[in-house]
Amino acid sequence: SYELTQAPSVSVYPGQTASITCSGDKLGDKYASWYQQKPGQSPMLVIYQDTKRPSGIPERFSGSNSGNTATLTISGTQAMDEADYYCQAWDSSHVVFGGGTRLTVL
Amino acid sequence: EVQLLESGGGLVQPGGSLRLSCAASGFTFSSYGMAWVRQAPGKGLEWVTGISGSGTNTYYADSVKGRFTVSRDNSKSTLFLQMNSLRAEDTALYYCAKDLNVAAAATVYLDYWGQGALVTVSS
Repeated sequence: SYELTQAPSVSVYPGQTASITCSGDKLGDKYASWYQQKPGQSPMLVIYQDTKRPSGIPERFSGSNSGNTATLTISGTQAMDEADYYCQAWDSSHVVFGGGTRLTVL
Repeated sequence: EVQLLESGGGLVQPGGSLRLSCAASGFTFSSYGMAWVRQAPGKGLEWVTGISGSGTNTYYADSVKGRFTVSRDNSKSTLFLQMNSLRAEDTALYYCAKDLNVAAAATVYLDYWGQGALVTVSS
């Protein structure tokens, strides 16, 4: 079965750029999406189809996907961005989630 | 305003059954695929199943195939998850979620989520 791999944690200072990566075999040939989940809350879609932002998602969130790696980039990271982030892809009629990355804003 | 309200969670013994419901409002329910995603305590997200707007197409994670059944009643804007032969590893918060795109071929991008229904499988 298809697997997506994420680093368990990433740290960033406020105002800096955070990069969260997701790796999978030929992931660039698929569409990647990203979800944010804050403690005690339901997940929220922040990026879909590699680069698109749903309505209401700030412009500081952006995405890219090439080769075996998809990347979620948060520019000018704010304290409110501290959360768990999950990548997602579709493969063989299955939705697959990565294990999640905890973003800490120092 | 889109709202998704799960119900039916609870404590069940291993081997038992449970049926979750998700009452939807604020959008044309029959036009959108829906999905169930679960999260074990302190763990990550795990996709469980998806269903097309018409109910014709369904997809299941290997871990639940043959034990869980997804269905929907478009006349009542309600999504269901019938869970049989439950195991301890099925213990999780079960989220109901809506597809971003109308009439999509597969339910992939989940733009609205409910608050979840807790299922605990234990003797």
